Amino acid sequence: AQSVAQPEDQVNVAEGNPLTVKCTYSVSGNPYLFWYVQYPNRGLQFLLKYITGDNLVKGSYGFEAEFNKSQTSFHLKKPSALVSDSALYFCAVSRHSNYQLIWGAGTKLIIKP
Amino acid sequence: EAGVVQSPRYKIIEKKQPVAFWCNPISGHNTLYWYRQNLGQGPELLIRYENEEAVDDSQLPKDRFSAERLKGVDSTLKIQPAELGDSAVYLCASSLDVLGTEITDTQYFGPGTRLTVL
Repeated sequence: AQSVAQPEDQVNVAEGNPLTVKCTYSVSGNPYLFWYVQYPNRGLQFLLKYITGDNLVKGSYGFEAEFNKSQTSFHLKKPSALVSDSALYFCAVSRHSNYQLIWGAGTKLIIKP
Repeated sequence: EAGVVQSPRYKIIEKKQPVAFWCNPISGHNTLYWYRQNLGQGPELLIRYENEEAVDDSQLPKDRFSAERLKGVDSTLKIQPAELGDSAVYLCASSLDVLGTEITDTQYFGPGTRLTVL
C-alpha cells in the first residue's frame, strides 16, 4: 500500500537559519513526489515536484527538495528561512502513471523572528 | 493566468439543509478534482472528472453528495442534506493531463470553501 509519513507535526526554526521538513514514502514502482504549502484560509499551493532526473529539485520561493531513493525520502529544504515561510506543508506521492495522490498529515512550520 | 476559482469562500448552514459549491478550473485543464480537507489533515479525494466524465467517484458518499461537470469546464458539488460531520474545507483542483495515457500532471488547487454545519 502507498503511504506518506511526515514525522514532525511541527518544526520551529529561527529566521535566517536553514530549514528542513521531512517526508518519507512507501510506494511500489517509480514515485511522483510533490510538496504543497497551505497558508491560513488558503488553498494548497504547489511548491515543487520530482518526476525523474536530477535528485535535487528546485521550486518556488527558494525551496528545494532532495529525492533519496535508498532512504525513500523527499525532504523539503531552504537555506535561509523567512518569517513568511510559516505555514502548513504537505508532502504527497503518487505512483508513476497514477493520478491518485497520497498525502502526508502535514507539518506546521513556524519561523520565529 | 487565473487560477482555480471557487465560491463561496465560506458557508454556514443548519444541519439537514442543502449546500452547493462551485468551481471553475484553470482554463484548458481537462481534469478536475473535488477534495475534502478536515482540520489538521491532508485532502481526501471525493471525485475526479476527465472532461465531463466522472472517472473516479468511489470516495463520494453518494447518499447525500452529488457532483456535475456538464460542459467539461466548471463543476458543482452538492450536499443534501448536510450533516454535522460534513463541516470541512472543500477544495477543487485541476490539472492538464494526457487523457487515455495515464500521464498526469501537477494538480493546482483553488482557495477552498469552508463549510460549517450547525
